[in-house]
Amino acid sequence: AQSVTQLGSHVSVSEGALVLLRCNYSSSVPPYLFWYVQYPNQGLQLLLKYTSAATLVKGINGFEAEFKKSETSFHLTKPSAHMSDAAEYFCAVTANAGGTSYGKLTFGQGTILTVHP
Amino acid sequence: DTEVTQTPKHLVMGMTNKKSLKCEQHMGHRAMYWYKQKAKKPPELMFVYSYEKLSINESVPSRFSPECPNSSLLNLHLHALQPEDSALYLCASSFGRGSYNEQFFGPGTRLTVL
Repeated sequence: AQSVTQLGSHVSVSEGALVLLRCNYSSSVPPYLFWYVQYPNQGLQLLLKYTSAATLVKGINGFEAEFKKSETSFHLTKPSAHMSDAAEYFCAVTANAGGTSYGKLTFGQGTILTVHP
Repeated sequence: DTEVTQTPKHLVMGMTNKKSLKCEQHMGHRAMYWYKQKAKKPPELMFVYSYEKLSINESVPSRFSPECPNSSLLNLHLHALQPEDSALYLCASSFGRGSYNEQFFGPGTRLTVL
């Protein structure tokens, strides 16, 4: 079984500051990892995904994440926060394995990002 | 067309009503999903369809009945719901059921059960 833990349910940064949202995963097989963003009263939008091609993954809106197997982490970063980045961010994992859970996406609890002017 | 559409956007129903949620995609995706999301929680998987066949049912109560009439359309039929079923219902689709396939989400239907 796989799971993700997002450290910090709320993160607050100033506009222009570095954004760092933490995600640690647990998986008995090589994982596929995703970051999604959800704006209020909307669906989820994919920011980026890791599928073992490269450990540093660049996504949309200036976000990127680095897969670190030794630390079982997939933290999301953005060098300079914008007010429009305020939203809830979910880290998610699927397992590269067969069985009845094949393709099942397991989400972390989410991190709400607040950006101050 | 690179989006998943859901109708209605909002739905209010009584506990004795029967209603349906609709989800549509025209991206040629062959896997479709229903999720339930309560306030301040992550989405929880309910059902997965792969090539129009039900692949995963996460022990969802029978008052929720999914249907996949064709590869582009996914319905969720609702009957005799409880107030605790009030939530945002999200539909998603992916190219296939494979784990490396990202899921594309619709905007959701906000359901309120009175």
